Amino acid sequence: EIVMTQSPATLSVSPGERATLSCRASQSVSNNLAWYQQKPGQPPRLLIYNAYIRATGVPARFSGSGSGTEFTLTINSLQSEDFAVYYCQQYNNWPPWTFGQGTKVEIK
Amino acid sequence: VQLVESGGGLVQPGRSLRLSCTTSGFTFGDYAMTWVRQAPGKGLEWVAFIRSKTYTGTTDYAASVKGRFSVSRDDSKSIAYLQMNSLETEDTAVYYCGRATRLAISGVVYYFDFWGQGTLVTVSS
Repeated sequence: EIVMTQSPATLSVSPGERATLSCRASQSVSNNLAWYQQKPGQPPRLLIYNAYIRATGVPARFSGSGSGTEFTLTINSLQSEDFAVYYCQQYNNWPPWTFGQGTKVEIK
Repeated sequence: VQLVESGGGLVQPGRSLRLSCTTSGFTFGDYAMTWVRQAPGKGLEWVAFIRSKTYTGTTDYAASVKGRFSVSRDDSKSIAYLQMNSLETEDTAVYYCGRATRLAISGVVYYFDFWGQGTLVTVSS
């Protein structure tokens, strides 16, 4: 089973600033990595798949990069609606599909 | 695309529950479906997966639920089901169903692109 590790656990950012979230896989997942956003009381929302492709309707301020074992989600010019928990997930070696433990982006 | 889960509730340990995922807005039979759960205050855990009948309709399960949970689908009704037997207190969670999109480039992979709002299952005596 591939273990996904996200850092940091919590990121404090001021509105308008950039947030950089990291995700590491215990072994290579190629570029088969997704990022999800989850707000309280809501289901996860797909932001990025194939490590860098934005899902339909996702604003351009969200970008993904990386391949193999190291991945990054960057959120430029944070908006109030971006404060949430973000999860990475690998879908290269399945089953099981595995998620990171999440990074909470909070208002500084 | 819409997915709506139902069937959650309070159940005693050892009992059974069946969740439904009613879908619309896409051709259900063309897609694999998945179930993911989230315990209170915790992260996401994949639970079960069922391929489309085009690709055998076979299933996969997380080790934590294998032998107790069963996923199925009714393509005529566009509904996916999760039958949960021998429930344990550790199964308490919000259960989400998701649509799984297949990619076949260098190997076959599935990612989860749409999710329902979830249904809460509480296992307690």
